[in-house]
Amino acid sequence: EDQVTQSPEALRLQEGESSSLNCSYTVSGLRGLFWYRQDPGKGPEFLFTLYSAGEEKEKERLKATLTKKESFLHITAPKPEDSATYLCAVVSPGAQKLVFGQGTRLTINP
Amino acid sequence: DSGVTQTPKHLITATGQRVTLRCSPRSGDLSVYWYQQSLDQGLQFLIQYYNGEERAKGNILERFSAQQFPDLHSELNLSSLELGDSALYFCASSVEGLPITDTQYFGPGTRLTVL
Repeated sequence: EDQVTQSPEALRLQEGESSSLNCSYTVSGLRGLFWYRQDPGKGPEFLFTLYSAGEEKEKERLKATLTKKESFLHITAPKPEDSATYLCAVVSPGAQKLVFGQGTRLTINP
Repeated sequence: DSGVTQTPKHLITATGQRVTLRCSPRSGDLSVYWYQQSLDQGLQFLIQYYNGEERAKGNILERFSAQQFPDLHSELNLSSLELGDSALYFCASSVEGLPITDTQYFGPGTRLTVL
């Protein structure tokens, strides 16, 4: 069965302190990996889609990268408004669904 | 704002009751997905509809059912409610209904509390 594991579960950073969130997956034949941001009590907000190892995408202070086994979400010089839960999800060829990880709860202190 | 709307925002009901959650997809999107999010289970896929037809099924209980109407809005019906059904229920929509290539856009959710 397809599995997605995100680490760490929670991360607390100071404003301006860069770091990375990890998403590792066990999927036979990954066809797509998605990153979402979710604020408390709100719906997930789409950030990136990655399709093949070596691919990178950037948006403001966020950069997502993909290898054959995992994806990283790098956050550079974060601000308090970047505080949220970041969710990773994968799609495999046989499954017509997104499988989500448990998320990383990121807190940026001013 | 993703363009996906869900009503109601909050729902409080008692065990054994039945409720209906409603979702309107983004303009132009043909596919609707339903998810359940609880603290211990994370975000779990329930069911997908594409242009009125069921396309994929996830971990949806037999007490739950859904449909998509000709105007493309969707309803999720939850019956014989139990305490464990308390959760956030999200609807998402996409253009083609192909999870591999489509981006799913999520609504704001309905918070269900079963007392």
